[in-house]
Amino acid sequence: GENVEQHPSTLSVQEGDSAVIKCTYSDSASNYFPWYKQELGKRPQLIIDIRSNVGEKKDQRIAVTLNKTAKHFSLHITETQPEDSAVYFCAASINSYKLIFGSGTRLLVRP
Amino acid sequence: GAGVSQSPSNKVTEKGKDVELRCDPISGHTALYWYRQSLGQGLEFLIYFQGNSAPDKSGLPSDRFSAERTGGSVSTLTIQRTQQEDSAVYLCASSLVGTGGNQPQHFGDGTRLSIL
Repeated sequence: GENVEQHPSTLSVQEGDSAVIKCTYSDSASNYFPWYKQELGKRPQLIIDIRSNVGEKKDQRIAVTLNKTAKHFSLHITETQPEDSAVYFCAASINSYKLIFGSGTRLLVRP
Repeated sequence: GAGVSQSPSNKVTEKGKDVELRCDPISGHTALYWYRQSLGQGLEFLIYFQGNSAPDKSGLPSDRFSAERTGGSVSTLTIQRTQQEDSAVYLCASSLVGTGGNQPQHFGDGTRLSIL
């Protein structure tokens, strides 16, 4: 079945710097890749998603890139702010509904 | 309501008891999903509903777990004869169903289940 690996497990950056989180997936049929942000004790919130027919998508300070050949996708956060501190999860889907999640990255943005 | 609503928010029960967890999806969302999140881990898929039918139950860990959905809206996840390893946060999500494939899934706050 599909497997998603996520790195790093923890990431600490200085406010204003960029942060990059990387995920790899195993099933080349995967076609949908969302990213979720989860603050402590709160619900996961969708922050950006990308489909397999697109290589890159941006939304203000957040961007996601997809390399289908290498089966990699990455989340890029620029000009990080303390409120970006949270756990970020990537996910992949090979059908129209089931998401397989990575194990999460704890991002700490130091003021 | 504006978002996915889950109840109770916290549940503490003794080993061997049955528990019921409730999910009220976003109005108009025909797809509903249950996931489980163990401490410090990612989300594990349990079951998917399209309307009142469950085309994919492959993530349910054992036959102690069951779920139903009535009226195409509220869903209940039932765990019978709870075990300590069932302790986790149980998250529900809902989405529209589109012809273009995956639609964004919106999560509730979850139910934190603790088995003593």
